[in-house]
Amino acid sequence: GESVGLHLPTLSVQEGDNSIINCAYSNSASDYFIWYKQESGKGPQFIIDIRSNMDKRQGQRVTVLLNKTVKHLSLQIAATQPGDSAVYFCAEREGSYIPTFGRGTSLIVHP
Amino acid sequence: EPEVTQTPSHQVTQMGQEVILRCVPISNHLYFYWYRQILGQKVEFLVSFYNNEISEKSEIFDDQFSVERPDGSNFTLKIRSTKLEDSAMYFCASTTSLRYGYTFGSGTRLTVV
Repeated sequence: GESVGLHLPTLSVQEGDNSIINCAYSNSASDYFIWYKQESGKGPQFIIDIRSNMDKRQGQRVTVLLNKTVKHLSLQIAATQPGDSAVYFCAEREGSYIPTFGRGTSLIVHP
Repeated sequence: EPEVTQTPSHQVTQMGQEVILRCVPISNHLYFYWYRQILGQKVEFLVSFYNNEISEKSEIFDDQFSVERPDGSNFTLKIRSTKLEDSAMYFCASTTSLRYGYTFGSGTRLTVV
């Protein structure tokens, strides 16, 4: 299970590499998923969303993949830049219920 | 781009005191939320507000918490008799439709001493 405290899972990449951040969700009835980016001292910022009738959605430099069979969501960031350094977390939602947020992954991009 | 605005950015208060955290949601949004995030932990839902009333609240949102939309623009969270464990970042969020994700404010860091 997840550990409690300050130690988030961390992904370190070199500038220019592609990053893949993963999220396992818990509710098989969830039908809407969102990735957020949170920079230090700031609020969560919407990146991209996907509904359960899709398995892939692309944005600018980002792609979200949804595997409902194994309840897994991933965020791919192409050509990662230092400005992408942040905590990334996914949120899942069933219908109009309140979304549930994951704990997040810290992405560190080295120049 | 429209923003959710929160004030103050940082609030320090003594244990037992009351605090009011303020938010100005995006003007055409209809659904309003308060979340909190204890350092290093998940963003936790506190309360949702729609049509001038609470639509849902979590177990965290007990009698010491209240929300208000006193006019057409502000959305406030009041914490009565603050406790040390109330220290956290408090985020306001809003959305125009439940079909979409939320827009979050930059948060208020509440420190209870």
